[in-house]
Amino acid sequence: QQQVKQSPQSLIVQKGGISIINCAYENTAFDYFPWYQQFPGKGPALLIAIRPDVSEKKEGRFTISFNKSAKQFSLHIMDSQPGDSATYFCAATTGRRALTFGSGTRLQVQP
Amino acid sequence: GAGVSQSPRYKVTKRGQDVALRCDPISGHVSLYWYRQALGQGPEFLTYFNYEAQQDKSGLPNDRFSAERPEGSISTLTIQRTEQRDSAMYRCASSSGQGDYYEQYFGPGTRLTVT
Repeated sequence: QQQVKQSPQSLIVQKGGISIINCAYENTAFDYFPWYQQFPGKGPALLIAIRPDVSEKKEGRFTISFNKSAKQFSLHIMDSQPGDSATYFCAATTGRRALTFGSGTRLQVQP
Repeated sequence: GAGVSQSPRYKVTKRGQDVALRCDPISGHVSLYWYRQALGQGPEFLTYFNYEAQQDKSGLPNDRFSAERPEGSISTLTIQRTEQRDSAMYRCASSSGQGDYYEQYFGPGTRLTVT
């Protein structure tokens, strides 16, 4: 079973702080690593994604850091806001195939 | 444009009944994926299609589960002789099929409850 391990399971951050969620993978064939954001009652929404040929990708307050040698990647949310409170899933795949998801991180940003 | 839609949004059925879950992908998207998501967990892959061809069904739990996409657009996931363990959120995603990496967009899901 191909796995993606995600931590922490839950995270509480103060407004304006930095939220950091980590993922590790085993399958070196994975070549596409998206992050999804899910609000209660909604489907997962694509947030940001990275390919292994770059070590970092930034979109607004969201940054993915990628460490190919360690087979790890992380999501950083800068200046976290209460509206960022959601469950975040990392995922991995080989390009065109189905996604393998992590177990999710429930983020709570306190005002 | 419209996103991925799924119907019904909620389905309650009795053990032993058959159910059919429908997914309508984003217009023009050639790839369609089915996942199952348990409460508090990430989605788990069931099967996927490129156009009408089923590319991978390795995630289907057993032969009670089947899926089709006969015209390369709408897809139906069918569960025969439902069991309580089939209760879950069933999610569909689609992607355009353009480029090397397929961004997948998810629908709202169908919550299946087997009593």
